[in-house]
Amino acid sequence: QAQLVQSGAEVKKPGASVKVSCKASGYTFANFAMSWVRQAPGQGLEWMGWISAHHGNTNYAQKFQDRLSLTTDTSTQTAYMELRDLRSDDTAVYFCARDAEYYHYLGVWGTGTTVIVSS
Amino acid sequence: DIQMTQSPSSLSASVGDRVTITCRASHDISSYLAWYQQKPGKVPKLLIYAASTLQSGVPSRFSGSASGTDFTLTISSLQPEDVATYYCQKYNSVPFTFGPGTEVDIK
Repeated sequence: QAQLVQSGAEVKKPGASVKVSCKASGYTFANFAMSWVRQAPGQGLEWMGWISAHHGNTNYAQKFQDRLSLTTDTSTQTAYMELRDLRSDDTAVYFCARDAEYYHYLGVWGTGTTVIVSS
Repeated sequence: DIQMTQSPSSLSASVGDRVTITCRASHDISSYLAWYQQKPGKVPKLLIYAASTLQSGVPSRFSGSASGTDFTLTISSLQPEDVATYYCQKYNSVPFTFGPGTEVDIK
């Protein structure tokens, strides 16, 4: 069955960048879009953006427009999320999640990656 | 952007109770509404999509309905394993905003 395995926890200083990977298995990677969602400690889910794995088209939430880059590598079936100019309030668990085939609800979720931003 | 609200923000009910959570969109989103369950310390799980379609493998005590811009998640008979936070999400157009969540626990 479809699985998404994310890279390990990261600790970054303010102003740095982080790049989280999400390796897919069990399905045809290029046939589905991938969304990224984050969850700050004790808070709710926040949608960040999505990318078409086949075309590379992206759409970002307005608040991340200037700092977020989503990419995919179809040869390794891996999606990447890079967030730049990190601030303390970027401390969160970051999830990749596979969109449904024609719609954008999220049926398969990654394992989650904790990113801590601290000086 | 379309805003999503949920009510209540938390509730406590007894095992076997019928539980209802409401999600409201600030503008029309048709039926492009999903519900997720997130148990403490776990990854979110899709319960319902298209407002009322049960995801495969989800117990039939969960159901969803829609009336205009109001959406409802119902647990017909609350079980101990249903302790979780429940989120709605719109997916008709970007941004695919989540509601703030409803925490459900056992009285």
